Amino acid sequence: AQSVTQLGSHVSVSEGALVLLRCNYSSSVPPYLFWYVQYPNQGLQLLLKYTTGATLVKGINGFEAEFKKSETSFHLTKPSAHMSDAAEYFCAVSDRSSGSARQLTFGSGTQLTVLP
Amino acid sequence: SQTIHQWPATLVQPVGSPLSLECTVEGTSNPNLYWYRQAAGRGLQLLFYSVGIGQISSEVPQNLSASRPQDRQFILSSKKLLLSDSGFYLCAWDRGHSYEQYFGPGTRLTVT
Repeated sequence: AQSVTQLGSHVSVSEGALVLLRCNYSSSVPPYLFWYVQYPNQGLQLLLKYTTGATLVKGINGFEAEFKKSETSFHLTKPSAHMSDAAEYFCAVSDRSSGSARQLTFGSGTQLTVLP
Repeated sequence: SQTIHQWPATLVQPVGSPLSLECTVEGTSNPNLYWYRQAAGRGLQLLFYSVGIGQISSEVPQNLSASRPQDRQFILSSKKLLLSDSGFYLCAWDRGHSYEQYFGPGTRLTVT
């Protein structure tokens, strides 16, 4: 069974500082990897995904993530935080061997606070 | 473009009452459909998914049920709500062989 660990349930950064949100997965085969963002009382919005190819993937709103197989990690970064980045972020994985319906396994989430 | 709707947006129900939440997808055909629950301070838990009309797979045994009466409609139901059913319910969809899921705006359910 797959699992996803997000280190740090709450992360605070100053506006303009680097954002680093950590995600590690446990899977016998490298899975598909995703980062989603959730603003209060809203659904989840896809930030970026890794399926195959280049291990550094760029997403929306200036975010990017790097798949590191040796570390089983998929950390999310943004060079300069903006106040509008304050939200909850979820890392998720999907088994490559899934059938027609892909079951996402989510981490427990990281609440990002951006300080002025 | 594709759009996913959920209603109602918020719901307050007494313990023991029935529940019906609806999810509808527009702009695509034969999507896979999913119901998740997000409890306060916790991640997302997959409840049900469906690959076609009338085809429902349950991930968590509980007093909830799901149905798919039409290709792009997914309904979450309960005959008698429990306090523990409170949470934020999210519907999602994907194409048969796509990778990512797209989420609806969610329904906030409070059972009192």
